[in-house]
Amino acid sequence: GQSLEQPSEVTAVEGAIVQINCTYQTSGFYGLSWYQQHDGGAPTFLSYNALDGLEETGRFSSFLSRSDSYGYLLLQELQMKDSASYFCAVRGLSGGYNKLIFGAGTRLAVHP
Amino acid sequence: DAGVTQSPTHLIKTRGQQVTLRCSPKSGHDTVSWYQQALGQGPQFIFQYYEEEERQRGNFPDRFSGHQFPNYSSELNVNALLLGDSALYLCASSLVGPSPEQFFGPGTRLTVL
Repeated sequence: GQSLEQPSEVTAVEGAIVQINCTYQTSGFYGLSWYQQHDGGAPTFLSYNALDGLEETGRFSSFLSRSDSYGYLLLQELQMKDSASYFCAVRGLSGGYNKLIFGAGTRLAVHP
Repeated sequence: DAGVTQSPTHLIKTRGQQVTLRCSPKSGHDTVSWYQQALGQGPQFIFQYYEEEERQRGNFPDRFSGHQFPNYSSELNVNALLLGDSALYLCASSLVGPSPEQFFGPGTRLTVL
């Protein structure tokens, strides 16, 4: 089967940098996505890695290494509004182009 | 431009009943996926509809069924409800093809008593 593992909780202070890791056991996927979900809200797309390496989108960056079955989301210049749950998800297993398999999520708490 | 909408927002049912949840995709999107999210967990893929057909299915029993209409909107039906079906049901829309982004609706919170 397919599985993704993330730390359950991460705590950081405003202005700091935090890295949320994601390790996976799967094969044949198209890419690794990251989603943010505030309490009571819908998941929103943050970043996507189809190829190995770093993708940068403003304060957020995401990294993928297929050889290590590993990826991470890097959040810089943390703000209070970044307090949320963050999910990694592999895309496109078993030929399903838009099928996402999510990890259990990492709850990020940003403190002043 | 309206995003993904879902109805109802909240729903309370009793064991054994049946429920229908509805989703309207983002304008221009042709693919609808349904996910179940238990409290404190990540969304779990139920199934995906494209061109009015179920294209992919996750590890969910046949009690879970769906439909996509010609205007791309979709319904999720769950029969013979169990207590364990209590969850947030999310609909996500996208375009078939290489774009990775899925747009999620706010979800329907289903409580089974």
